[in-house]
This record gives sequence, structure tokens and C-alpha cells, in this order.
Amino acid sequence: DGGITQSPKYLFRKEGQNVTLSCEQNLNHDAMYWYRQDPGQGLRLIYYSQIVNDFQKGDIAEGYSVSREKKESFPLTVTSAQKNPTAFYLCASMSWDRVANQPQHFGDGTRLSIL
Amino acid sequence: AQTVTQSQPEMSVQEAETVTLSCTYDTSENNYYLFWYKQPPSRQMILVIRQEAYKQQNATENRFSVNFQKAAKSFSLKISDSQLGDTAMYFCAFMRYNNNDMRFGAGTRLTVKP
Repeated sequence: DGGITQSPKYLFRKEGQNVTLSCEQNLNHDAMYWYRQDPGQGLRLIYYSQIVNDFQKGDIAEGYSVSREKKESFPLTVTSAQKNPTAFYLCASMSWDRVANQPQHFGDGTRLSIL
Repeated sequence: AQTVTQSQPEMSVQEAETVTLSCTYDTSENNYYLFWYKQPPSRQMILVIRQEAYKQQNATENRFSVNFQKAAKSFSLKISDSQLGDTAMYFCAFMRYNNNDMRFGAGTRLTVKP
């Protein structure tokens, strides 16, 4: 079955450490997204990518970096510059030409905590 | 950037009754999409209903329906015959027609009471 796979499900970061969250999709979707969700809050857009080798900053990109070398993959690196990384991170993907019928598909999320 | 506002952080409803969740948005665009997503305790994001701005008819999906007021920039979700399984966070979302970044509201936590 096609879908989005996020790994790991739980991740712990030490002070000053960079960590990378994985997001892989086999839906052949063009666009991919990373969101951050804090407790009791909505989803805030970190980065999104509409095509391979291209990505745009969302509302809260500071302290994060991404790459889009393959259509299937959109990893998110939480750098040491992100001073408050504890949150739930959701990855999503979407097909350009099917927004009306199939908007964003979401992964199951990664919970990141500070050690 | 477009903004999406959900003014009800929490709501509750008795099982089998009807509840309406509010959403307003701010945009200068004429063509766009609106969505309601449900996030149960499992944290999965589940699409509930979608609306295209150029369609005047309100979308319906079984017990879920919307009241789309384009001039007022309002997009409320009505849940009829509420069920215990409807207990979840509900997010309103906006997407411009030719741009793929989707923006979400802060969410409404709905509790259905037996």
C-alpha cells in the first residue's frame, strides 16, 4: 500500500546535537511538507518542497534544514540552533494535480524530546 | 501569508447531538481550497471534508457538512448525530489554488460525552 513513512517514532536530542528526521513516500507525490505541532496547538509549516532540488521556508524555518535530492524523500534536520525543539513533527505529501480530490497525506509523526 | 482562525479551543457535545465548529480565514485570493482535518488521540491526520471556493454548494460527507460563506470568509463544520469516535482535535486548513502550502488553524478539541 502507498503511504508516507516517518522514522523514528520517538527521538531524543542532546544539547548541541543535530538530529535528522526521516520522511519517505511511495505515492509519487510532487510536493512534500514538514510541520511542527506543539501541545494543544495547530500545525505550523517549517519547510515545503514542490519539486526535487527545490524547497521553500515556511513560517518557522529558523533552526531547521531540509534537502530534496529524491522525489520520495524529504529529511528534516533539527540543528543545535533550534533552542526549543521538543515537539511533534509531521511530514505530509501531495500531488500537484489532485489537490481537490486528494489533499495532503500525512505520516504518523515523530516525537522529538530534549535529553 | 494567509491566516486561519479557530476561535473555540475546546467544545463538548452529548452523543447523538449536533455541534458546529467555527473557522474564519483571511485571504485576498479568489480561488482556494478549504479543508477540515480530524486528529484523534492516535495523532493521525484524517481528512474530514473539503470545499473548493468556486463552488457555491456546501460540501457534505455523511454526518459532516460545512457552511461556507465566501464573502464573510467563514467555513464552519457541522457534525450531526455525534458519536464517541468523533472525539478529536479538529483543524481547519486553507490552501491557495496555485500554491501548495497549506495553512492550519490552531484547532478545536472536541469531546463527545456519552
